[in-house]
Amino acid sequence: SQTIHQWPATLVQPVGSPLSLECTVEGTSNPNLYWYRQAAGRGLQLLFYSVGIGQISSEVPQNLSASRPQDRQFILSSKKLLLSDSGFYLCAWSVGQVSNYGYTFGSGTRLTVV
Amino acid sequence: QKEVEQNSGPLSVPEGAIASLNCTYSDRGSQSFFWYRQYSGKSPELIMFIYSNGDKEDGRFTAQLNKASQYVSLLIRDSQPSDSATYLCAVKGRGSTLGRLYFGRGTQLTVWP
Repeated sequence: SQTIHQWPATLVQPVGSPLSLECTVEGTSNPNLYWYRQAAGRGLQLLFYSVGIGQISSEVPQNLSASRPQDRQFILSSKKLLLSDSGFYLCAWSVGQVSNYGYTFGSGTRLTVV
Repeated sequence: QKEVEQNSGPLSVPEGAIASLNCTYSDRGSQSFFWYRQYSGKSPELIMFIYSNGDKEDGRFTAQLNKASQYVSLLIRDSQPSDSATYLCAVKGRGSTLGRLYFGRGTQLTVWP
């Protein structure tokens, strides 16, 4: 069966510090991978989307970046965090683009920038 | 991003009642729709998907889709306190945004005993 791992679960970082969040998927190959952010009181915002190694699409301009160095690994990074980067970061995967089975989410990382 | 609108609630119903959650979307050509449940502090989990007009039932849950009205809803029959959560509506993109899911802000549901 397929599983998605995301870490760390919680993170407190000072403003201006770098960020690296990692997500890995097991039990499938060539998944579509996604990073979402859920800020307090707001909905899920799609940040990045990847259909393959090295292929990254950005939905919203920001000081975050994403990389996919391996087929089942997706990394979210920032060189300098802002207070507004605080939120609940979720990684998700799906099979293909036309699947009607939606996404499966990881357990999330709660980031607080202080 | 695609617009997906939900009443933020909170929606409060007694145990055993029917909870009705509504969602509208802006892209008339959207084809696939999803309902997720998110418990406080947890990640969303998929409850149902629907892509044909009409009703789709799964246990106590019924999803309803009306593409002409650009409206999708979720009914929860015999609501239980364990159903208390935020319910997220999601629409799958098409064309240049094919494969991407766009979410509403969610409706917070409380089922009281």
